[in-house]
Amino acid sequence: NAGVTQTPKFQVLKTGQSMTLQCAQDMNHNSMYWYRQDPGMGLRLIYYSASEGTTDKGEVPNGYNVSRLNKREFSLRLESAAPSQTSVYFCASSLLDSYNEQFFGPGTRLTVL
Amino acid sequence: GDSVTQMEGPVTLSEEAFLTINCTYTATGYPSLFWYVQYPGEGLQLLLKATKADDKGSNKGFEATYRKETTSFHLEKGSVQVSDSAVYFCAVSSGSARQLTFGSGTQLTVLP
Repeated sequence: NAGVTQTPKFQVLKTGQSMTLQCAQDMNHNSMYWYRQDPGMGLRLIYYSASEGTTDKGEVPNGYNVSRLNKREFSLRLESAAPSQTSVYFCASSLLDSYNEQFFGPGTRLTVL
Repeated sequence: GDSVTQMEGPVTLSEEAFLTINCTYTATGYPSLFWYVQYPGEGLQLLLKATKADDKGSNKGFEATYRKETTSFHLEKGSVQVSDSAVYFCAVSSGSARQLTFGSGTQLTVLP
């Protein structure tokens, strides 16, 4: 099992460009999440999908859109990148049982110039 | 909403020293509590968890006890190793979608 995989690992964009971050899991998990990690701020939830076909906003959704393509895949799109979106992005998945242990991907380091 | 307050870092210890990283939380209902660890250049890995009051989570020599009366979940290890150098995150999970709310992280460096 690969667990949670993310592509790309690194990306540099210019302000105003768009891109999609891809995430896939092979653990048959119901729920998937996108976080951003900034220095001194821990991880903040951008969007989540509690089950296939549903998506909900997290703490910092502005400037992002998501698509739950199927049970395995959950993508994050930046329509018009801004320097404030420079961050490390993590995807996670879980069973959404009573404990909700989440499993994380290796991250995508995004720089917006 | 939920919140987690973690001991500010960075923390630097000598090998075999005792480690405590403080964590307190606010959450509604019956939250589950977690400690995650992040090694340089990697994603987060679950270190340990506790799902109800007075539970003790433990793994790799690390321990934390779910204290509902003090809303705390402090991480401890009796003798740290150089390989324990990493960033440690306390997190709480609650609500219908069981979202995780993270603390800001504590950078631990262990010197030989």
